[in-house]
Amino acid sequence: DTGVSQDPRHKITKRGQNVTFRCDPISEHNRLYWYRQTLGQGPEFLTYFQNEAQLEKSRLLSDRFSAERPKGSFSTLEIQRTEQGDSAMYLCASSLLANTDTQYFGPGTRLTVL
Amino acid sequence: QKEVEQDPGPLSVPEGAIVSLNCTYSNSAFQYFMWYRQYSRKGPELLMYTYSSGNKEDGRFTAQVDKSSKYISLFIRDSQPSDSATYLCAMSRSNDYKLSFGAGTTVTVRA
Repeated sequence: DTGVSQDPRHKITKRGQNVTFRCDPISEHNRLYWYRQTLGQGPEFLTYFQNEAQLEKSRLLSDRFSAERPKGSFSTLEIQRTEQGDSAMYLCASSLLANTDTQYFGPGTRLTVL
Repeated sequence: QKEVEQDPGPLSVPEGAIVSLNCTYSNSAFQYFMWYRQYSRKGPELLMYTYSSGNKEDGRFTAQVDKSSKYISLFIRDSQPSDSATYLCAMSRSNDYKLSFGAGTTVTVRA
């Protein structure tokens, strides 16, 4: 399968715990995006990378959130001290720099904070 | 007011009907317009991609963009039960590639 993959697919955690999600983009895609989607809403942009550089962060990304793409391949999104309001689907997408407006999404990680 | 407005529906149609979906937006800087299909608890899947104004057809799907009215549409002809999903419009500016999404319209095609 050469699509975008995300791990884990589901995560249940208790409030105050830290969680980390992983995204593997389509091979050779330069750009990698993170979005968050709550029930009944469209995805909301969180941050994106071009290779290993993080180019933009939404104000939705509080200090408790951090994202990395250390070698310009896979990316991780960490949430520290989770809150119930963090419960959502976290989506990763990737695109080629030459065609940056065609983003391909992964299946998402569904986070539930109890 | 949200940047992108989309009627959440739900929309229920009989098999074979034409499905009409639309979005309005407020930011005149948007140049790229997309429609994604999302099945329950899955990631969005790109259906149509259009640059600037005009029409684009792909099989049973037709996307229209009217930048003067800040209005985009997606039409699905000869709808099938497998078309039952949530349809998301998305758009981006020319130099800023993050996508702004509508809330999604849930469509059910009845057999």
